[in-house]
Amino acid sequence: GESVGLHLPTLSVQEGDNSIINCAYSNSASDYFIWYKQESGKGPQFIIDIRSNMDKRQGQRVTVLLNKTVKHLSLQIAATQPGDSAVYFCAEYNNNDMRFGAGTRLTVKP
Amino acid sequence: DGGITQSPKYLFRKEGQNVTLSCEQNLNHDAMYWYRQDPGQGLRLIYYSQIVNDFQKGDIAEGYSVSREKKESFPLTVTSAQKNPTAFYLCASRGASGNSYEQYFGPGTRLTVT
Repeated sequence: GESVGLHLPTLSVQEGDNSIINCAYSNSASDYFIWYKQESGKGPQFIIDIRSNMDKRQGQRVTVLLNKTVKHLSLQIAATQPGDSAVYFCAEYNNNDMRFGAGTRLTVKP
Repeated sequence: DGGITQSPKYLFRKEGQNVTLSCEQNLNHDAMYWYRQDPGQGLRLIYYSQIVNDFQKGDIAEGYSVSREKKESFPLTVTSAQKNPTAFYLCASRGASGNSYEQYFGPGTRLTVT
């Protein structure tokens, strides 16, 4: 499944499926991007980052894709697990200024 | 263990009272930040500090004050002038690494003012 935008949509996936969470960032001059995971009532945790001179970066079960042409960032989670249920939000960085999206709530159904 | 601590986790205050939220880090980071998080919105920057004894207003500084007397500590005071203080407050810090602008977040303090 996919979700789009900087509001707080909800994405519901079946355990074991792949998840795709999208983010449309605002500043074409942003040169660094981060995906954070935030569980209910907790602080955000770093998942993965990417610089603007890259278009793809892979981590453990996660991949971030960057499309600078359309100012779009996505987070792909492979084989989604119940522990992945959380709010995911992107952050863009430019000239000592970091801006955060509102996030997408991911719910994993067993 | 290195990290950022915020205390308390939950805080309740009556309207008209000032309240101070604690943020401590032992990561030896120079920069520290305070954000406010409201439902359905992205984090909004209240204040930040790049170095001891210096701090700058963020996007929503009105009704808040900070101090940075020590590198490890960046307390935030929510004053009675803040019109809508009930929120989840997050503190973050960032090191001077040239390769990453990652901010490390604390666990947050949920403030409820009635």
